[in-house]
Amino acid sequence: ETGVTQTPRHLVMGMTNKKSLKCEQHLGHNAMYWYKQSAKKPLELMFVYSLEERVENNSVPSRFSPECPNSSHLFLHLHTLQPEDSALYLCASSQEGGWNTEAFFGQGTRLTVV
Amino acid sequence: DAKTTQPTSMDCAEGRAANLPCNHSTISGNEYVYWYRQIHSQGPQYIIHGLKNNETNEMASLIITEDRKSSTLILPHATLRDTAVYYCIVRTNFGNEKLTFGTGTRLTIIP
Repeated sequence: ETGVTQTPRHLVMGMTNKKSLKCEQHLGHNAMYWYKQSAKKPLELMFVYSLEERVENNSVPSRFSPECPNSSHLFLHLHTLQPEDSALYLCASSQEGGWNTEAFFGQGTRLTVV
Repeated sequence: DAKTTQPTSMDCAEGRAANLPCNHSTISGNEYVYWYRQIHSQGPQYIIHGLKNNETNEMASLIITEDRKSSTLILPHATLRDTAVYYCIVRTNFGNEKLTFGTGTRLTIIP
């Protein structure tokens, strides 16, 4: 257990569906992240939230919409996805500033778009 | 621009020390060296980090050269559960600098 919980662990959705991925951290951290990991590719940073404000958006298509209602919760809303969006989606949190800024990752959501 | 270079893959015999190298020749004075690993289909796991002094914790040791242009992660007694992709990352500890992962080193522990 890393203190970062993602749900669901697996998700299959059609291209016309709308779904949301949820992430919750119990570590008191002030920053949260969404990463995408496609098969045989490095992790790609999608979004960064610090103190509930989005501070990074790495040219992610608008069919991915993040939401951070408070410092413990992070969502990724999905709509009209494409098959190439199938990947492992990872959430992470960290405490920015100071020495201990290591990131803690959830187990990920394995998304399949059909 | 890759800030670090690592070998693509390495093997190590079970019970031996695994030494994973990383080059970061353009590291700046306020950048730390971080190591993470990712076991198949799981989220990455933090291992250790350092600035210029060698560091040791319950998982591993980190040796940073005096010029800070390279480092070595040492797993002292590798087990089969240490088979994973190991990522070396350099970043500052200020602001919200993103944690950028490269392709890492795929370490396979051989029984």
